[in-house]
Amino acid sequence: KNQVEQSPQSLIILEGKNCTLQCNYTVSPFSNLRWYKQDTGRGPVSLTIMTFSENTKSNGRYTATLDADTKQSSLHITASQLSDSASYICVVSPDRGSTLGRLYFGRGTQLTVWP
Amino acid sequence: NAGVMQNPRHLVRRRGQEARLRCSPMKGHSHVYWYRQLPEEGLKFMVYLQKENIIDESGMPKERFSAEFPKEGPSILRIQQVVRGDSAAYFCASSPPSVGSGNTIYFGEGSWLTVV
Repeated sequence: KNQVEQSPQSLIILEGKNCTLQCNYTVSPFSNLRWYKQDTGRGPVSLTIMTFSENTKSNGRYTATLDADTKQSSLHITASQLSDSASYICVVSPDRGSTLGRLYFGRGTQLTVWP
Repeated sequence: NAGVMQNPRHLVRRRGQEARLRCSPMKGHSHVYWYRQLPEEGLKFMVYLQKENIIDESGMPKERFSAEFPKEGPSILRIQQVVRGDSAAYFCASSPPSVGSGNTIYFGEGSWLTVV
């Protein structure tokens, strides 16, 4: 069964601290893995996209890693800011080189940054 | 370049009424996806459409739900005879072709349906 599991479910950190969010998946075949940020009441916004051949991708203070062998990914946030408070969603695409857009979503990690 | 536009943003319907949610993809995007997000849950795939074609509707409930993406105009997600369990946020996304190669999929801001 194709699944995407994220941990922790929720996380509270102080402003300026770093944190790491985890994603494990069983989706097969695997094409790419995406991390999205979803603010409350808004649509998801893309942070990073990694194909099966990439093992790290950065976007400002966000760094995603991917181990396609163990089917694990992490999202590391450096020097957190209050605006980082949101749900972070791991999304896996099973299709490679095709036009099919079926995506599998994790439930997200709810991050709260306190001042 | 406008993003993915969804309307209405909020919709309240009584049980048994019909709900119609609209989605205009980003300019140049020919692929539209609909997802549903229940409270405290992740987004669940419903349907994937190209212009005038349903490509994958394996996530759509068998009854009361339908989707279309006509040659002209927005994509429409239609829910007939709504029930309380249909209350959710419905997100539309769009992409260019070959999303499997890593092209970004852009999401709209969602339509929040409340059934009373």
